[in-house]
Amino acid sequence: EADIYQTPRYLVIGTGKKITLECSQTMGHDKMYWYQQDPGMELHLIHYSYGVNSTEKGDLSSESTVSRIRTEHFPLTLESARPSHTSQYLCASSGFRNTEAFFGQGTRLTVV
Amino acid sequence: DAKTTQPPSMDCAEGRAANLPCNHSTISGNEYVYWYRQIHSQGPQYIIHGLKNNETNEMASLIITEDRKSSTLILPHATLRDTAVYYCIVQNNAGNMLTFGGGTRLMVKP
Repeated sequence: EADIYQTPRYLVIGTGKKITLECSQTMGHDKMYWYQQDPGMELHLIHYSYGVNSTEKGDLSSESTVSRIRTEHFPLTLESARPSHTSQYLCASSGFRNTEAFFGQGTRLTVV
Repeated sequence: DAKTTQPPSMDCAEGRAANLPCNHSTISGNEYVYWYRQIHSQGPQYIIHGLKNNETNEMASLIITEDRKSSTLILPHATLRDTAVYYCIVQNNAGNMLTFGGGTRLMVKP
């Protein structure tokens, strides 16, 4: 079983609120990723990091921001949630070379 | 990273082998082929990967053509629990992005 954890699993929040989705891994992986996925649709990479203090935007533009202050922690923040942010957010991590990615269980976000 | 092409959907009878194809005609010499699957809305799960040799593990077999332009994932005895979306990805292991395409939605039927 993968040692990567996301909290909360489900979140319902009002428009305009600031939220932070947590993602932690205990495998010492350098690379971490955030994906956004609507039901029945493709996974879209929105942020990734290849180490501490490195963050990059993915191939889908997102209003969220991320930080990587510690190897094991890669939180995602939305400063002002909107209904258009309603989606599932998946976090993943992988080692430096020739290793598979491990995914968390996801956070299902609903903005009302 | 090279792009891949997969059929959007496939059916397979329970107990039979499921053969899922993937085209990656622009793959580079140092890019690996990875397969993942996503059951319902869970996080994707790694299945197998390879560079140029065929690979087998407890979940599946991966057959890569000699020119490396295509591959096939084989689930030898599909069960209902194998119903999922299967993603084929090619990636240079020095690369930092990990992107998924549309995948193949495999439906295993009784």
